[in-house]
Amino acid sequence: GENVEQHPSTLSVQEGDSAVIKCTYSDSASNYFPWYKQELGKRPQLIIDIRSNVGEKKDQRIAVTLNKTAKHFSLHITETQPEDSAVYFCAARRGNTGKLIFGQGTTLQVKP
Amino acid sequence: ETGVTQTPRHLVMGMTNKKSLKCEQHLGHNAMYWYKQSAKKPLELMFVYNFKEQTENNSVPSRFSPECPNSSHLFLHLHTLQPEDSALYLCASSQVIRGTSYNEQFFGPGTRLTVL
Repeated sequence: GENVEQHPSTLSVQEGDSAVIKCTYSDSASNYFPWYKQELGKRPQLIIDIRSNVGEKKDQRIAVTLNKTAKHFSLHITETQPEDSAVYFCAARRGNTGKLIFGQGTTLQVKP
Repeated sequence: ETGVTQTPRHLVMGMTNKKSLKCEQHLGHNAMYWYKQSAKKPLELMFVYNFKEQTENNSVPSRFSPECPNSSHLFLHLHTLQPEDSALYLCASSQVIRGTSYNEQFFGPGTRLTVL
């Protein structure tokens, strides 16, 4: 069935370093890939998304890359800050449904 | 209130109780969703409603019964739950364009449910 694998499950970096989180999806019909950030005790919030017709998208310190052939996509955070500490979820979806399949989440800790 | 709201924020219930979770969106969206978030597990989609019609039921047990009376309100009726149903239940909403193009989902704060 549809599945999204996310790695690593935990990631610890020093402030100012880069962080990379990777996801692999199984459904080749997936064409929309959002990333959500969930701070402790708060709701998930969309931070960036990418559609299958582009290979990369950037928004300030955050970027997402997509390799459709390999069916994987990655989140890149540069110049990490303590406030980037949170759980990050990737997801994949077929464009004509509302069904988001989420990865298991990555707990990112940015040490000052 | 703005965005997506959920009530109650916390709920403790026994296995024989009947309770309901409520979600309301103030974004003018036309699709609403229920998710279950358990510790150490990915967010699990439970139900999707598009223009008040249920379009997805992700093999959810019948002890969870959704209701969507209009595009702004979504309920999850609970009865005879099990302790393993304890989790954070998140509601979300999004805009659907021309019936099939789903946009970004906005989440509510969730209801923390404990089943004793």
